[in-house]
Parts: sequence; C-alpha cells; structure tokens
Amino acid sequence: NTKITQSPRYLILGRANKSLECEQHLGHNAMYWYKQSAEKPPELMFLYNLKQLIRNETVPSRFIPECPDSSKLLLHISAVDPEDSAVYFCASSPGTVSNERLFFGHGTKLSVL
Amino acid sequence: QEKVQQSPESLIVPEGAMVSLNCSFSDSASQSIWWYQQHPGKGPKALISIFSNGNKKEGRLTVYLNRASLHVSLHIKDSQPSDSAVYLCAVSMGNTGKLIFGLGTTLQVQP
Repeated sequence: NTKITQSPRYLILGRANKSLECEQHLGHNAMYWYKQSAEKPPELMFLYNLKQLIRNETVPSRFIPECPDSSKLLLHISAVDPEDSAVYFCASSPGTVSNERLFFGHGTKLSVL
Repeated sequence: QEKVQQSPESLIVPEGAMVSLNCSFSDSASQSIWWYQQHPGKGPKALISIFSNGNKKEGRLTVYLNRASLHVSLHIKDSQPSDSAVYLCAVSMGNTGKLIFGLGTTLQVQP
C-alpha cells in the first residue's frame, strides 16, 4: 500500500530520541498510531481526527504524537525502553464513525538494544 | 474492556480447500466486526465487515454473524497459496474510532 508511507522502515536504538513519520495520500480525516508487539495483535495508541487528538490510550509519556496537517502524523519517542520494541503502524480512515475501513502503512520496526 | 478471541491459532490446508475461521467477542453492544489479512512484514489489510446478524458474501469470502452467541466466522472458498497469511478479527467500538483486534489465525495454504 503506497498510499500510506511510513519512515523509517527499520530503527535500531539505544536509549535515544527518535521520530517516526507517516503520510497518507488518501484524503482521509482520521489518522492512527497502532503498536504491534511480537505475537500480539495491533493495539491502538493514538487517534487524530481533523488534526485533533481524540483518543489517547494508556501509553507511556515518552510517546508524544503530533499531527502537523491532516495528511501527516508523527510519533516522537524519547528515551526508548526495551519494552518499546515492536512494529508501529500508521493507519488512516475517512472518518471515525462506526464501520470505517482502516488503511494501514507497512509499519516501522523498532528494535531497542 | 472488549475481548476478542480467535480459533484455531493456526491452520494448514491444501489448495482449493474451504477455510473456516472463528471469532468470539465479549460485548454485545459492539458495532461492526471486521476481518483483516496480514502478510509477513506488511500492515493489516481490510477484507470484509459485517454489522447485522446473518451473512455477507464478497467474492470467495463469506462472513456470518450471530450477535446472540457473540460469534462471527469467516469462510474462504477455493483457498489459494496467496491466501496464506494471518487473519485478524477486529471489533469496532461504536463511534469511538477504536478497533479491538484478536490474536489472529495463521493460515497456510499448501500448493
């Protein structure tokens, strides 16, 4: 799915700060960050709709989302922890009403040393 | 908190077989149920959804929903090796924009 691009594709970090980037070319209003740890299903972290943060699940404060415009989403991570090793997916949907189909990017695989 | 459970954990079938995947959920007030397909190293891809009791057919896929028993199933007709993937059941929590995913069923279709 080249309509949602994420960068970087792979990230190996010690206790550093880094930002994940996502851009969607679908004209959608809603954008999401999901975390998928090994052997687990994707879990919602943050949801933006029309650039407003409307869902903030129980996520450590070292994760800070940013939505600079309706097509871009950032995830800033400070002082990563080994438990943060996972694949981080960006997704988008037309809106947030029931039965919206989510479109996922290919993910950023974060490995914490 | 909604819980989504899937069975079986994994499944190996010969090409051309009918595949049946199961999903149970805990909240009868949940909205739509989605099935997503995830190939290794890729993001999940939406396949089909259902909201009302009964069944819905799209191509080789048929989904059945029974809200009374909190159960939904996905059936893949004439399975192909390209269908080999993890299948995730996901429950939409009303107008919250939140999807709760199950752990998935790993399907392998052997040529």
